[in-house]
Amino acid sequence: EAGVVQSPRYKIIEKKQPVAFWCNPISGHNTLYWYLQNLGQGPELLIRYENEEAVDDSQLPKDRFSAERLKGVDSTLKIQPAELGDSAVYLCASSLHGGGATDTQYFGPGTRLTVL
Amino acid sequence: GENVEQHPSTLSVQEGDSAVIKCTYSDSASNYFPWYKQELGKRPQLIIDIRSNVGEKKDQRIAVTLNKTAKHFSLHITETQPEDSAVYFCAASSGNEKLTFGTGTRLTIIP
Repeated sequence: EAGVVQSPRYKIIEKKQPVAFWCNPISGHNTLYWYLQNLGQGPELLIRYENEEAVDDSQLPKDRFSAERLKGVDSTLKIQPAELGDSAVYLCASSLHGGGATDTQYFGPGTRLTVL
Repeated sequence: GENVEQHPSTLSVQEGDSAVIKCTYSDSASNYFPWYKQELGKRPQLIIDIRSNVGEKKDQRIAVTLNKTAKHFSLHITETQPEDSAVYFCAASSGNEKLTFGTGTRLTIIP
């Protein structure tokens, strides 16, 4: 079974430029998460989708960040414009969502963003 | 919201010795506690988890204990090996699919 796939793995951009990250979850997983991981820190949730609905985006900086999961499968996270402080690893995760109890979350390899 | 604290931030142990990492959480409604291992430049991988209806769970050299009254849980690794060197994260969830992670423990196994 393929794991969570993310691309690109690395991205270097100049500040004020836009950037997008793509994630394909494990087949059959209804719930998809985007996390931000700063160096030396644990992942912090940005947004959670159940199918195509964003059910928790309270931590997403909506002035510059946006995300979509139009068909309830793969997802894109966008930053426009990027700032120096956005340099971090962006992790995608997915879970089966059995309803009620918290399901195991499986992580992708992440996209390491460097903003110059 | 939930707050998870993790200690120590770094830990070095001799190969073959045991390692213990501790976490505390603030939300008494939390009922799911996973532990993830993250090697340098790699994805976090689940190594063990525990739900609040049990106090201890073991999988070969790895065990997790949970004290709901004190709101803390711990990861125990016995007979440590060089491949156990990594950063370990604890997390807690109150059943709403949202995981709150600790700040991580960098474990180094000294050959």
